[in-house]
Amino acid sequence: QVQLVESGGGVVQPGRSLRLSCAASGFTFSSYSMYWLRHYPGKGLEWVAFMSADGINKYYADSVKGRFTISRDNSKNTLYLQMNSLRTDDTAVYYCARNANGLTWGQGTLVTVSS
Amino acid sequence: DIQMTQSPSTLSASVGDRVTITCRASQSISYYLAWYQQKPGKAPKLLIYKASSLESGVPSRFSGSGSGTLFTLTISSLQPDDFATYYCQQYKSYSGMFGQGTKVEIK
Repeated sequence: QVQLVESGGGVVQPGRSLRLSCAASGFTFSSYSMYWLRHYPGKGLEWVAFMSADGINKYYADSVKGRFTISRDNSKNTLYLQMNSLRTDDTAVYYCARNANGLTWGQGTLVTVSS
Repeated sequence: DIQMTQSPSTLSASVGDRVTITCRASQSISYYLAWYQQKPGKAPKLLIYKASSLESGVPSRFSGSGSGTLFTLTISSLQPDDFATYYCQQYKSYSGMFGQGTKVEIK
């Protein structure tokens, strides 16, 4: 079955960087576009970044444009999110998700930005 | 960007009740609408895709309808496991905007 496992979250100071990974299994990773999304504590869901199946097309939410970079390695079935210049309002649970008539989500990884 | 507006934001209901949640898009999204259920500390779970298609393994008491700009999620007979927050999401454009969520609480 489809499995997505995020890793790389943790506590980081404002202005620092963090790299999230999402290991995919149970499906042909290279055939699907993928998302990074986040859930703010006690609040709603927000999409963060999108990448096409072939890795050519990338789109970012305005709130992270210029700071975050999405990438993928189809040979390793892994999706990445490089997060630079982190701010306190980036604190959230981050999810990767497979895009196919709706989203199939991983279990999430918590990122806390605090001094 | 397409904006998604859900109502109500909170809903109090009893086991056995019929529950309906509405989601409105700021412009037509055809049938590119999904519904998710999220419980505290858990990832969202896909319930409905293409506005009315039931995801495999999801109980048949869940149903979706609508097209264009107005959509509904209906739970025909609310069960104890259904108390959660529900989100709609449009996927006509890559931005994948979500509604603000509807929390279904025990009355």
